[in-house]
Amino acid sequence: SQTIHQWPATLVQPVGSPLSLECTVEGTSNPNLYWYRQAAGRGLQLLFYSIGIGQISSEVPQNLSASRPQDRQFILSSKKLLLSDSGFYLCAWSVEGGVEQYFGPGTRLTVT
Amino acid sequence: AQKITQTQPGMFVQEKEAVTLDCTYDTSDQSYGLFWYKQPSSGEMIFLIYQGSYDEQNATEGRYSLNFQKARKSANLVISASQLGDSAMYFCAMSTGDYKLSFGAGTTVTVRA
Repeated sequence: SQTIHQWPATLVQPVGSPLSLECTVEGTSNPNLYWYRQAAGRGLQLLFYSIGIGQISSEVPQNLSASRPQDRQFILSSKKLLLSDSGFYLCAWSVEGGVEQYFGPGTRLTVT
Repeated sequence: AQKITQTQPGMFVQEKEAVTLDCTYDTSDQSYGLFWYKQPSSGEMIFLIYQGSYDEQNATEGRYSLNFQKARKSANLVISASQLGDSAMYFCAMSTGDYKLSFGAGTTVTVRA
């Protein structure tokens, strides 16, 4: 069966520090991968999605970036965090050509 | 651009009763999918139910059913026989041909014993 992992689960970082969040999927090949952000009490906002290794599409211009170094690995990064980057970051995957997305447990990021 | 509207920020329901969560959407695409997700306080997003725009019958999954009214562009979720474990945030979402999901703002459901 397929599983999706995210780490860390929680993170507190000072403004201006770098960020690296990791997401890995097991039990499937060539998945579509997604990064979402959820502000407190709000819906999810799609940040990046990827349909293959090295193929990243950005939905919202910001100081975040994403990379997909391996088929089942998706990384969200920032060189310098802003206070507005605080939120709940969720990684998701779907099968190639599939409509249903499956979410990871999320990372709660607080920028201080 | 796709837009999802959930007008109910919060709802209370008595245990064992049914509750309907409203969702309206706006898209110019003919082919699209509608989803409902549940988010408990732990934060995980749990897929509940899916309805394709060309599906003629309303989707059902156990105690969840989706009341799809295409002409009205609405996709309401009905939870029957509410349980205490149903207390959570519920999100309506839509995807078009590129499989990206657009989410509504969510509705918080609180089930009372």
